[in-house]
Amino acid sequence: GENVEQHPSTLSVQEGDSAVIKCTYSDSASNYFPWYKQELGKRPQLIIDIRSNVGEKKDQRIAVTLNKTAKHFSLHITETQPEDSAVYFCAADRDDKIIFGKGTRLHILP
Amino acid sequence: DVKVTQSSRYLVKRTGEKVFLECVQDMDHENMFWYRQDPGLGLRLIYFSYDVKMKEKGDIPEGYSVSREKKERFSLILESASTNQTSMYLCASSLCGHGYTFGSGTRLTVV
Repeated sequence: GENVEQHPSTLSVQEGDSAVIKCTYSDSASNYFPWYKQELGKRPQLIIDIRSNVGEKKDQRIAVTLNKTAKHFSLHITETQPEDSAVYFCAADRDDKIIFGKGTRLHILP
Repeated sequence: DVKVTQSSRYLVKRTGEKVFLECVQDMDHENMFWYRQDPGLGLRLIYFSYDVKMKEKGDIPEGYSVSREKKERFSLILESASTNQTSMYLCASSLCGHGYTFGSGTRLTVV
């Protein structure tokens, strides 16, 4: 079955700097890669996603890249702000079944 | 906005009890899922369903069962609750080929 590895498990960045979270997946048939943000005490919420026929997607300060050959995908957050502090989960979807990474706790330092 | 509603936010049950966690979605989504979330382990898939009366095991189905009698409702059942089932349980729904919408979660404590 699918296995998703996510790194780092914790990330601290200075406010205004960029943050990068990296994931790998094992099943080459996975074709949809969503990212979720979970603030403390709240439900995970979809923030951006990318499909296997696209290499990069951007939405304001957030971008995601996908390298299908290497089975890597990454989340990039630029100009980080305090409200970016949260746990971020990458995921890989095959046949509408999503497998999640273990999460990255992002701390934005003042 | 799609709403996924879980019936209880917090639940305390005794070891050996049969526990029902209910989830209802209001946007006619085909797919529904149950995950449990534990610190350091992320979200692990327990069971999922692509249609009424259909169910599939996820990665950690042991000790759980599910029921989907209606399209909008997906129930998770702990046949005989144990302390290692203390966790946050998250229900989600989706349309085919799209990301999930999660419920608010049920924090279950088994004593």
